[in-house]
Amino acid sequence: GAVVSQHPSWVICKSGTSVKIECRSLDFQATTMFWYRQFPKQSLMLMATSNEGSKATYEQGVEKDKFLINHASLTLSTLTVTSAHPEDSSFYICSAPMGSYNEQFFGPGTRLTVL
Amino acid sequence: KQEVTQIPAALSVPEGENLVLNCSFTDSAIYNLQWFRQDPGKGLTSLLLIQSSQREQTSGRLNASLDKSSGRSTLYIAASQPGDSATYLCAVPQGAQKLVFGQGTRLTINP
Repeated sequence: GAVVSQHPSWVICKSGTSVKIECRSLDFQATTMFWYRQFPKQSLMLMATSNEGSKATYEQGVEKDKFLINHASLTLSTLTVTSAHPEDSSFYICSAPMGSYNEQFFGPGTRLTVL
Repeated sequence: KQEVTQIPAALSVPEGENLVLNCSFTDSAIYNLQWFRQDPGKGLTSLLLIQSSQREQTSGRLNASLDKSSGRSTLYIAASQPGDSATYLCAVPQGAQKLVFGQGTRLTINP
């Protein structure tokens, strides 16, 4: 299957700082990528759709000024958590669709801990 | 709005058993359905994708079926092994690509 990477795999930061997470499609191009967050023992919650060359589309209840998304190329989307607070601590996962049936491939996730 | 439900929430069986995981969805007008596996602290691994025109897909010891009219899919795991222990998630697209996930089934295979 296709490969999606994320960097970093984990990050610890102080409250009030900003953190950038990268999502890359390694062997295919993705005009669209998706960002999810996952709390312990819960399923994935879609945060936003990242669109190459245009603005991201955010799900209801997700603050676009807090979770900045940039999709600057066909293989890279970034999620920046601005002015992070402890409640932003979570597991963030990205995905990208590939093929005519839009099979989704997921990155390995990024564990964010805000102190 | 599409809703996806997975039953059971957790399942523990001895090694070697065949087992079935269930997934149901409320809107039968789906484009496809995917089954994923998630190990603790890891991302999702795509196991099987069933296109809307298909009834089933097989990969090794895994077989997934799809009944669009009844809004159901099953994932059959044959001859289970301890390495199969993980959370299994099913998901369907809402629209063209946005996935709606079930809550998952946490599977434990006991040696």
